[in-house]
Amino acid sequence: NAGVTQTPKFQVLKTGQSMTLQCAQDMNHEYMSWYRQDPGMGLRLIHYSVGAGITDQGEVPNGYNVSRSTTEDFPLRLLSAAPSQTSVYFCASSYSRPSGNTIYFGEGSWLTVV
Amino acid sequence: DQQVKQNSPSLSVQEGRISILNCDYTNSMFDYFLWYKKYPAEGPTFLISISSIKDKNEDGRFTVFLNKSAKHLSLHIVPSQPGDSAVYFCAASGGSGATNKLIFGTGTLLAVQP
Repeated sequence: NAGVTQTPKFQVLKTGQSMTLQCAQDMNHEYMSWYRQDPGMGLRLIHYSVGAGITDQGEVPNGYNVSRSTTEDFPLRLLSAAPSQTSVYFCASSYSRPSGNTIYFGEGSWLTVV
Repeated sequence: DQQVKQNSPSLSVQEGRISILNCDYTNSMFDYFLWYKKYPAEGPTFLISISSIKDKNEDGRFTVFLNKSAKHLSLHIVPSQPGDSAVYFCAASGGSGATNKLIFGTGTLLAVQP
Protein backbone atom coordinates (compact mmCIF):
# COMPACT_ATOMS: atom_id res chain seq x y z
CA ASN A 1 0.00 0.00 0.00
CA ALA A 2 2.80 2.42 -0.96
CA GLY A 3 0.85 5.32 -2.53
CA VAL A 4 3.26 8.23 -3.14
CA THR A 5 6.85 7.59 -2.07
CA GLN A 6 9.48 10.31 -1.75
CA THR A 7 13.20 9.99 -1.16
CA PRO A 8 15.28 11.17 0.57
CA LYS A 9 13.35 12.23 3.67
CA PHE A 10 16.12 14.56 4.85
CA GLN A 11 18.99 16.20 2.98
CA VAL A 12 21.55 18.91 3.68
CA LEU A 13 23.17 20.57 0.68
CA LYS A 14 25.84 23.18 0.24
CA THR A 15 25.06 26.24 -1.85
CA GLY A 16 25.72 25.47 -5.51
CA GLN A 17 25.35 21.71 -5.22
CA SER A 18 22.79 19.87 -7.30
CA MET A 19 20.54 17.04 -6.27
CA THR A 20 17.42 15.14 -7.25
CA LEU A 21 14.38 14.47 -5.10
CA GLN A 22 12.75 11.23 -6.16
CA CYS A 23 9.01 10.62 -6.32
CA ALA A 24 7.20 7.44 -7.30
CA GLN A 25 3.53 6.46 -7.22
CA ASP A 26 1.96 3.06 -7.70
CA MET A 27 -1.64 4.13 -8.31
CA ASN A 28 -1.34 4.57 -12.10
CA HIS A 29 -2.14 8.28 -11.72
CA GLU A 30 -1.61 10.44 -14.78
CA TYR A 31 -1.15 13.67 -12.84
CA MET A 32 1.88 14.31 -10.64
CA SER A 33 3.16 17.49 -9.05
CA TRP A 34 5.70 18.99 -6.68
CA TYR A 35 4.89 21.50 -3.95
CA ARG A 36 7.03 23.29 -1.43
CA GLN A 37 5.86 24.33 2.00
CA ASP A 38 7.33 27.34 3.74
CA PRO A 39 6.26 28.95 7.03
CA GLY A 40 3.29 31.29 6.56
CA MET A 41 3.06 30.46 2.84
CA GLY A 42 0.98 27.29 2.65
CA LEU A 43 1.94 24.89 -0.14
CA ARG A 44 3.03 26.32 -3.48
CA LEU A 45 3.11 24.44 -6.77
CA ILE A 46 6.58 24.12 -8.35
CA HIS A 47 6.04 21.92 -11.43
CA TYR A 48 3.42 19.47 -12.56
CA SER A 49 2.83 16.80 -15.18
CA VAL A 50 -0.42 15.59 -16.73
CA GLY A 51 1.17 12.45 -18.17
CA ALA A 52 4.39 10.82 -19.30
CA GLY A 53 6.42 13.17 -21.47
CA ILE A 54 4.43 16.27 -20.47
CA THR A 55 5.52 18.78 -17.82
CA ASP A 56 4.64 22.38 -17.05
CA GLN A 57 5.51 25.12 -14.60
CA GLY A 58 3.59 25.98 -11.47
CA GLU A 59 3.72 29.07 -9.27
CA VAL A 60 7.40 28.90 -8.23
CA PRO A 61 9.39 26.97 -10.89
CA ASN A 62 12.68 28.90 -10.90
CA GLY A 63 15.72 26.87 -9.87
CA TYR A 64 13.98 23.52 -10.40
CA ASN A 65 13.80 21.07 -13.27
CA VAL A 66 11.50 18.08 -13.80
CA SER A 67 11.01 15.26 -16.26
CA ARG A 68 8.38 12.54 -16.64
CA SER A 69 9.73 9.59 -18.59
CA THR A 70 7.34 7.09 -16.99
CA THR A 71 3.87 7.28 -15.44
CA GLU A 72 5.24 6.18 -12.08
CA ASP A 73 8.16 8.57 -11.55
CA PHE A 74 8.46 12.35 -11.34
CA PRO A 75 11.89 13.48 -10.08
CA LEU A 76 12.57 17.08 -9.06
CA ARG A 77 16.07 18.41 -9.75
CA LEU A 78 17.71 21.33 -8.01
CA LEU A 79 20.27 22.58 -10.50
CA SER A 80 22.35 24.81 -8.22
CA ALA A 81 21.00 24.86 -4.68
CA ALA A 82 20.44 28.19 -2.94
CA PRO A 83 19.55 28.89 0.72
CA SER A 84 16.13 30.15 -0.50
CA GLN A 85 15.38 26.57 -1.54
CA THR A 86 15.49 25.41 2.08
CA SER A 87 12.00 24.04 2.46
CA VAL A 88 9.83 20.97 2.81
CA TYR A 89 8.98 19.41 -0.53
CA PHE A 90 5.88 17.34 -1.21
CA CYS A 91 5.17 15.21 -4.23
CA ALA A 92 1.53 14.53 -5.11
CA SER A 93 -0.47 12.53 -7.63
CA SER A 94 -4.04 12.08 -8.85
CA TYR A 95 -6.07 10.91 -11.80
CA SER A 96 -6.11 13.50 -14.56
CA ARG A 97 -9.81 14.10 -15.01
CA PRO A 98 -11.91 17.25 -15.02
CA SER A 99 -12.12 19.04 -11.70
CA GLY A 100 -13.11 16.86 -8.80
CA ASN A 101 -9.99 14.87 -8.18
CA THR A 102 -8.53 14.03 -4.82
CA ILE A 103 -4.79 14.64 -4.81
CA TYR A 104 -2.64 12.36 -2.67
CA PHE A 105 0.62 13.54 -1.11
CA GLY A 106 3.86 11.85 -0.16
CA GLU A 107 5.32 12.23 3.32
CA GLY A 108 7.68 15.05 2.41
CA SER A 109 11.39 15.71 1.92
CA TRP A 110 13.11 18.14 4.26
CA LEU A 111 15.86 20.03 2.46
CA THR A 112 18.34 22.42 4.06
CA VAL A 113 20.75 24.44 1.91
CA VAL A 114 23.68 25.94 3.82
CA ASP B 1 -1.79 37.78 -4.53
CA GLN B 2 -3.29 35.12 -2.30
CA GLN B 3 -6.22 33.49 -4.10
CA VAL B 4 -7.09 31.27 -1.15
CA LYS B 5 -6.99 32.78 2.32
CA GLN B 6 -7.22 31.33 5.77
CA ASN B 7 -7.23 34.37 7.99
CA SER B 8 -6.99 32.55 11.30
CA PRO B 9 -3.48 31.14 11.83
CA SER B 10 -4.64 29.23 14.89
CA LEU B 11 -7.74 28.07 16.74
CA SER B 12 -8.13 26.52 20.19
CA VAL B 13 -11.24 24.48 21.06
CA GLN B 14 -12.32 22.34 24.00
CA GLU B 15 -12.78 18.63 23.43
CA GLY B 16 -16.38 17.80 22.53
CA ARG B 17 -17.16 21.29 21.20
CA ILE B 18 -17.45 22.38 17.60
CA SER B 19 -14.40 23.52 15.60
CA ILE B 20 -15.09 25.89 12.72
CA LEU B 21 -12.28 26.60 10.27
CA ASN B 22 -12.81 29.25 7.64
CA CYS B 23 -11.48 29.82 4.15
CA ASP B 24 -12.06 32.59 1.60
CA TYR B 25 -11.19 32.62 -2.08
CA THR B 26 -11.05 35.28 -4.75
CA ASN B 27 -11.08 33.35 -8.04
CA SER B 28 -14.66 32.74 -9.21
CA MET B 29 -13.38 30.06 -11.62
CA PHE B 30 -12.59 27.68 -8.75
CA ASP B 31 -15.09 24.83 -8.85
CA TYR B 32 -13.69 22.23 -6.47
CA PHE B 33 -12.56 22.70 -2.92
CA LEU B 34 -10.72 20.39 -0.59
CA TRP B 35 -9.61 20.31 3.03
CA TYR B 36 -6.37 18.63 4.02
CA LYS B 37 -5.12 17.83 7.48
CA LYS B 38 -1.41 17.83 8.26
CA TYR B 39 0.43 16.48 11.25
CA PRO B 40 4.05 17.55 11.88
CA ALA B 41 6.64 15.67 9.79
CA GLU B 42 3.93 14.08 7.61
CA GLY B 43 2.40 14.86 4.24
CA PRO B 44 -1.05 16.46 3.96
CA THR B 45 -3.85 13.90 4.07
CA PHE B 46 -7.16 14.41 2.31
CA LEU B 47 -10.08 15.08 4.64
CA ILE B 48 -13.16 16.17 2.70
CA SER B 49 -14.07 17.95 -0.52
CA ILE B 50 -16.96 19.80 -2.11
CA SER B 51 -17.89 20.61 -5.67
CA SER B 52 -19.23 24.04 -6.54
CA ILE B 53 -22.57 22.50 -7.52
CA LYS B 54 -23.19 21.69 -3.85
CA ASP B 55 -23.39 23.86 -0.76
CA LYS B 56 -22.77 21.16 1.82
CA ASN B 57 -20.92 17.87 2.11
CA GLU B 58 -20.83 15.72 5.20
CA ASP B 59 -18.57 12.85 6.22
CA GLY B 60 -18.93 11.63 9.78
CA ARG B 61 -17.82 14.36 12.15
CA PHE B 62 -16.69 16.60 9.30
CA THR B 63 -18.94 18.90 7.28
CA VAL B 64 -17.86 21.41 4.67
CA PHE B 65 -20.11 24.32 3.75
CA LEU B 66 -19.70 26.36 0.57
CA ASN B 67 -21.15 29.83 0.04
CA LYS B 68 -20.38 30.68 -3.58
CA SER B 69 -21.83 34.17 -3.50
CA ALA B 70 -19.55 35.08 -0.60
CA LYS B 71 -16.64 32.99 -1.96
CA HIS B 72 -16.37 31.39 1.44
CA LEU B 73 -16.14 27.87 2.72
CA SER B 74 -15.92 26.45 6.20
CA LEU B 75 -15.07 23.14 7.79
CA HIS B 76 -17.04 22.07 10.86
CA ILE B 77 -15.75 19.34 13.15
CA VAL B 78 -18.29 18.04 15.66
CA PRO B 79 -17.46 16.86 18.24
CA SER B 80 -13.81 17.89 18.29
CA GLN B 81 -11.30 15.37 19.61
CA PRO B 82 -7.69 15.80 20.76
CA GLY B 83 -6.56 13.72 17.77
CA ASP B 84 -7.96 16.41 15.50
CA SER B 85 -5.15 18.73 16.60
CA ALA B 86 -3.24 19.47 13.39
CA VAL B 87 -2.79 22.11 10.70
CA TYR B 88 -5.75 22.30 8.33
CA PHE B 89 -5.27 23.53 4.79
CA CYS B 90 -8.02 24.69 2.50
CA ALA B 91 -7.31 24.17 -1.24
CA ALA B 92 -9.12 25.05 -4.45
CA SER B 93 -8.89 23.99 -8.07
CA GLY B 94 -10.58 24.70 -11.38
CA GLY B 95 -10.61 27.33 -14.08
CA SER B 96 -8.29 27.38 -17.06
CA GLY B 97 -5.36 25.04 -17.43
CA ALA B 98 -4.88 21.80 -15.53
CA THR B 99 -7.82 21.46 -13.19
CA ASN B 100 -5.77 19.24 -10.89
CA LYS B 101 -3.64 22.19 -9.83
CA LEU B 102 -4.38 23.04 -6.23
CA ILE B 103 -4.06 26.51 -4.76
CA PHE B 104 -3.60 26.27 -1.01
CA GLY B 105 -4.36 28.60 1.84
CA THR B 106 -1.73 29.25 4.49
CA GLY B 107 -3.27 26.85 7.00
CA THR B 108 -4.93 27.02 10.41
CA LEU B 109 -3.41 25.27 13.40
CA LEU B 110 -6.20 23.63 15.41
CA ALA B 111 -5.53 22.71 19.01
CA VAL B 112 -8.21 20.64 20.74
CA GLN B 113 -7.81 20.83 24.49
CA PRO B 114 -8.77 17.74 26.55
